[in-house]
Amino acid sequence: EPEVTQTPSHQVTQMGQEVILRCVPISNHLYFYWYRQILGQKVEFLVSFYNNEISEKSEIFDDQFSVERPDGSNFTLKIRSTKLEDSAMYFCASSERDRSVYTFGSGTRLTVV
Amino acid sequence: DQQVKQNSPSLSVQEGRISILNCDYTNSMFDYFLWYKKYPAEGPTFLISISSIKDKNEDGRFTVFLNKSAKHLSLHIVPSQPGDSAVYFCAARDSGNTPLVFGKGTRLSVIA
Repeated sequence: EPEVTQTPSHQVTQMGQEVILRCVPISNHLYFYWYRQILGQKVEFLVSFYNNEISEKSEIFDDQFSVERPDGSNFTLKIRSTKLEDSAMYFCASSERDRSVYTFGSGTRLTVV
Repeated sequence: DQQVKQNSPSLSVQEGRISILNCDYTNSMFDYFLWYKKYPAEGPTFLISISSIKDKNEDGRFTVFLNKSAKHLSLHIVPSQPGDSAVYFCAARDSGNTPLVFGKGTRLSVIA
């Protein structure tokens, strides 16, 4: 069964450093998403991406965040200057069509120290 | 603003009995609802969905019920099995091109 692949599975970074979280969506999917889950909290939407541009973003997705699809297969989330409160599990997801079921990756646990 | 609420953080059920997980929503524009299951160290996986034109959808041991007037949905698992032990997330979306909104999840423990 096709999978969404995320790397790394765990990333530890110092506050103020830049991190890039990587995702390989399912190959025939056209819509891509990043969500995050702070420990014990709900799964929160960050950003959606379609046709090489952001289609929607949440209030969390401020100027410190950016997304990119650099080569037609990878989908990355960059956090420019990490803060302690960015510590969370970050999930990438993709869907084949608008309003279809999302397939999630296994997540990247980001720990900012 | 929590648009999707799962008020029970955890639930324990004996193997073979029914598990009922509840979800409430506040946004009357939501018209499509999903349940996802999440095991530790894995991403959420899709379980079952229901459109607002229906009030019930069944898939094997899993049934989702939707009560639009009460803005409430529930997931029934019958019979519950130890392998069902996981965190269950309720999610919803509206008719526009908006992303899924998730609840906080309910941790189900099925005891053998």
